[in-house]
Parts: sequence; structure tokens; C-alpha cells
Amino acid sequence: EVQLQESGPGLVKPSQSLSLTCSVTGYSITSNYWGWIRKFPGNKMEWIGHISYSGSTSYNPSLKSRISITRDTSKNQFFLQLNSVTTEDTATYYCALGGFAYWGQGTLVTVSS
Amino acid sequence: DVVMTQTPVSLSLAIGQPASISCKSSQSLLGTSGKTFLNWILQRPGQSPKRLIYQVSKLYSEVPDRFSGSGSETEFTLKISRVEAEDLGVYYCWQGTHFPHTFGSGTKLEIK
Repeated sequence: EVQLQESGPGLVKPSQSLSLTCSVTGYSITSNYWGWIRKFPGNKMEWIGHISYSGSTSYNPSLKSRISITRDTSKNQFFLQLNSVTTEDTATYYCALGGFAYWGQGTLVTVSS
Repeated sequence: DVVMTQTPVSLSLAIGQPASISCKSSQSLLGTSGKTFLNWILQRPGQSPKRLIYQVSKLYSEVPDRFSGSGSETEFTLKISRVEAEDLGVYYCWQGTHFPHTFGSGTKLEIK
């Protein structure tokens, strides 16, 4: 069974960087696409970007200047870094298998001083 | 970006009633591959989103057949033939044809 688990700090100060890890079991990240999505307070969902089986990336243009998605195939993990965060980046962050067929449980990240 | 417009915002239905949710896109979702990457997910209270339907009308194996999806180009519909208690939550359509992928604003289904 495919399982994804997000981890990272729940509180980040404005202007700092947000770093999250997605640990995957039951499926190799060298296959398929692996994405990050966030859900803002209320119901709005936003696709952040993804990393492919080959390591290539695709980002939401609205975030492109601030984000980086990388991976460690030896640990079957992929990562999100979002720089220069503001309070508007407060959201629940999810990692997901391509096509959003499987999701992690999500991690709430609050940006506050 | 492709704008996904979902209606209604909320539904309050009794067990056994049918449900219908509309999703309209600002551009055709028919891709160059000939496939239409319009999908539906459900987020139950306190849970992460779960897959329901992909490519307009294809149900994932674990999804009950009371769910169905239809539509083409820019207009799509999710239907539940008879609502059950476990169907409550927020339904989202999302498109994977164009980058960036985009989501509808969600439809909250409540059980009377």
C-alpha cells in the first residue's frame, strides 16, 4: 500500500524558509510524479508543483521564484522548500502521488512572528 | 491559469437523496493526447483528500458505483445516485490538462 507522510516545522517566522519532507513507502519515487498541494484556511486548494520520476520539476508560476522541490531517492523522500514566507503562506501542506491518487495526512504550517 | 468554477457551494441532503455538483472550466480540458484530465476528490472532515474519479468518468476501484462523473470540454458533473452518511465532506474538481493544475473552490455536502 502506498503511504505518504509529511514532516516539518509547524511554525515559521515571516521572511524565513519553510522546509517540508514527504516520506514515501510502498512505491518508489523513481516512478511516477510526486507533488505538493496546499489548502488555505477556508477551502481554497493550490497546486504548488511536482517532481518527476527522472527528477525534473514543474512549479506553479505564482510561486516559481520562491520554491524548490528536490528528492533523495536513497531515502525515498522528496522535499519542499518555500522561501521568503509571509502570513499568506499559512496553510495545510499535502504531498501526493501524481494524479493525486494518494495523499499524505497533511501538515499545518503557520507563518507568524 | 484555468479557472474551475464549482456549484453549488454547499448541499444539504437527506440519506437516499441524489446529489449533483457542477464544475466548469474556463478552457477546454481536452488534451493533445485526446484525454480529458478532469478529476474529483473528496475531503471528509478531519481527513486528507481521497481520490474519487479521474478522466471525467473513471471511478477508482474502491469508489462505490453510486458515484458517477460525466461531461466534456468545459462542463462536468459529479453525481451521487443516493447519498449515504459517509459521503459528507467537501468535493473538489481539479484539472490536470493544463499547467498549473487548478482546483475548484469546493462543494460542501452535509447530511440532514
